[in-house]
Amino acid sequence: GEDVEQSLFLSVREGDSSVINCTYTDSSSTYLYWYKQEPGAGLQLLTYIFSNMDMKQDQRLTVLLNKKDKHLSLRIADTQTGDSAIYFCAESRNSGYALNFGKGTSLLVTP
Amino acid sequence: NAGVMQNPRHLVRRRGQEARLRCSPMKGHSHVYWYRQLPEEGLKFMVYLQKENIIDESGMPKERFSAEFPKEGPSILRIQQVVRGDSAAYFCASSPQSSGGSNEQFFGPGTRLTVL
Repeated sequence: GEDVEQSLFLSVREGDSSVINCTYTDSSSTYLYWYKQEPGAGLQLLTYIFSNMDMKQDQRLTVLLNKKDKHLSLRIADTQTGDSAIYFCAESRNSGYALNFGKGTSLLVTP
Repeated sequence: NAGVMQNPRHLVRRRGQEARLRCSPMKGHSHVYWYRQLPEEGLKFMVYLQKENIIDESGMPKERFSAEFPKEGPSILRIQQVVRGDSAAYFCASSPQSSGGSNEQFFGPGTRLTVL
């Protein structure tokens, strides 16, 4: 299948901004998602962006999409220790299709 | 409105036994997806079902694995004659019949299968 790539680790100090990056290869990707997974838990949908958008903001979260470069980023403003988790980037072609996930970025927020 | 429910949360099986994993989608959702997460890996799609129909099973291993979503009751992922390599977290997700094209999938807490 098509690839979704993410860096594996990110460490930031509490109060700083975090930026998690993702690249994908499928040019037919229609929706791109960010999920959060806390230890031992399932995945929580944080936000998603449609491929004809280049930015979406939702409170502390900002998603940027560069469709030409197939690059997606998630910025978390004022990062808190409770934001420590694994963040997964995922893409799908359309409704009713499976999600294709990256391996996840482990975010560690230090006091 | 209860979320996606999966049981059991943890399942231990010996090699050669059968594993049955259950998933109850969110109320009003008619689409179910199963994913597998190996240690330190992302989730990999296995199968997509609607009531009484398998829509896409392109991610299912060809042998020993099967899935169903009957008219009544939960979706079942069945693994026969388990091997150590089947040890993983198995996640179920559901989505409504029409989610406006966003394919927003809601995930359950997962079943962690350990094969001894």
